[in-house]
Amino acid sequence: DVKVTQSSRYLVKRTGEKVFLECVQDMDHENMFWYRQDPGLGLRLIYFSYDVKMKEKGDIPEGYSVSREKKERFSLILESASTNQTSMYLCATDSYGYTFGSGTRLTVV
Amino acid sequence: AQKITQTQPGMFVQEKEAVTLDCTYDTSDPSYGLFWYKQPSSGEMIFLIYQGSYDQQNATEGRYSLNFQKARKSANLVISASQLGDSAMYFCAMREQKDQFYFGTGTSLTVIP
Repeated sequence: DVKVTQSSRYLVKRTGEKVFLECVQDMDHENMFWYRQDPGLGLRLIYFSYDVKMKEKGDIPEGYSVSREKKERFSLILESASTNQTSMYLCATDSYGYTFGSGTRLTVV
Repeated sequence: AQKITQTQPGMFVQEKEAVTLDCTYDTSDPSYGLFWYKQPSSGEMIFLIYQGSYDQQNATEGRYSLNFQKARKSANLVISASQLGDSAMYFCAMREQKDQFYFGTGTSLTVIP
């Protein structure tokens, strides 16, 4: 089975901090995605990548950037965290369908 | 327009009863896939069932079945013999030909003992 690992289950950060959310997959999948999940809004796509060093904006990229230096690792970066970025962040990889990581609950105070 | 619509924010079902979670979709692609995911309180998203747009028969996986009505653009999830462990959020999703996924806003299911 494909495994997608997100480095932290819970994070608390201060406003203005630079935040890194890491995602690693153990299969050779090319496609990786970052979503945020908020009550009543479902999952919204932030960024995705179809290959190393490649990135595409999703529906809500503002305030975020990503890095994909190696195929197995896709990082989401909050350059200057704000309270409206408090959310659940989900990483996914894609072959036949999505396989998700266990999620990171980020609180920005 | 919303690509995926789940109109039931919350549902309750008695243990051992069947429950249907509604999902309608909007696409003009001739080829697409429909998915259901379960998200327990722990937060992980678990794949449940898949239906391809060209599949003639409704998909089934154990106690899960997908009631696919193509003309009505609906893909309802049916859970038979509900168990307490079925209490979770359920998300319907669609994948179009250009590979983007679209998710609904989810339905919170509570199974009552």
